[in-house]
Amino acid sequence: GAGVSQSPSNKVTEKGKDVELRCDPISGHTALYWYRQSLGQGLEFLIYFQGNSAPDKSGLPSDRFSAERTGGSVSTLTIQRTQQEDSAVYLCASSIQNTGELFFGEGSRLTVL
Amino acid sequence: GENVEQHPSTLSVQEGDSAVIKCTYSDSASNYFPWYKQELGKGPQLIIDIRSNVGEKKDQRIAVTLNKTAKHFSLHITETQPEDSAVYFCAASIRGGGADGLTFGKGTHLIIQP
Repeated sequence: GAGVSQSPSNKVTEKGKDVELRCDPISGHTALYWYRQSLGQGLEFLIYFQGNSAPDKSGLPSDRFSAERTGGSVSTLTIQRTQQEDSAVYLCASSIQNTGELFFGEGSRLTVL
Repeated sequence: GENVEQHPSTLSVQEGDSAVIKCTYSDSASNYFPWYKQELGKGPQLIIDIRSNVGEKKDQRIAVTLNKTAKHFSLHITETQPEDSAVYFCAASIRGGGADGLTFGKGTHLIIQP
């Protein structure tokens, strides 16, 4: 399809393991965002990529979280040494620069046991 | 930084009635206010937005109002239908309409009772 694609849709892992979550943005969208949605909470901004500029990492909650965007397209969010409080839905979104509208994927649900 | 408060957290209305969701923001420099709808198992989707140079915007059964003096904005849904059941998020940004810099509220779970 032509929408934002995320994988895996569900991931169950053990505390202390590393996980990688993938996002394929809409073709031609220069901006890519990661958000975290915890139960009963809003959308927590994590990181923002715009073209070739340095990413805005101001929302990353700890140094266990990192993200890359290769070739201006696909992005991977990595969580090292996962903790139970990392359990959440991780949403990726893309947009055309400065248009305002975010196009979200369906999210990756992470459960840390 | 910006802080967005959203009320109520849950709203139950009878089908056909109106629903109103309210948000307040803290940064008077905020100038872009979108509303997103999230259906179960899906990502949020933009349904309407408003910029600070207007006070109201309508799109069929949906309207948004903005009071810059009081720093609050509201979503109004009229003639509610079962497919309106979802979680709604408001957001505010100082970035003039760019999607970066959005701060979201915690969401309102709207339930339409048949």
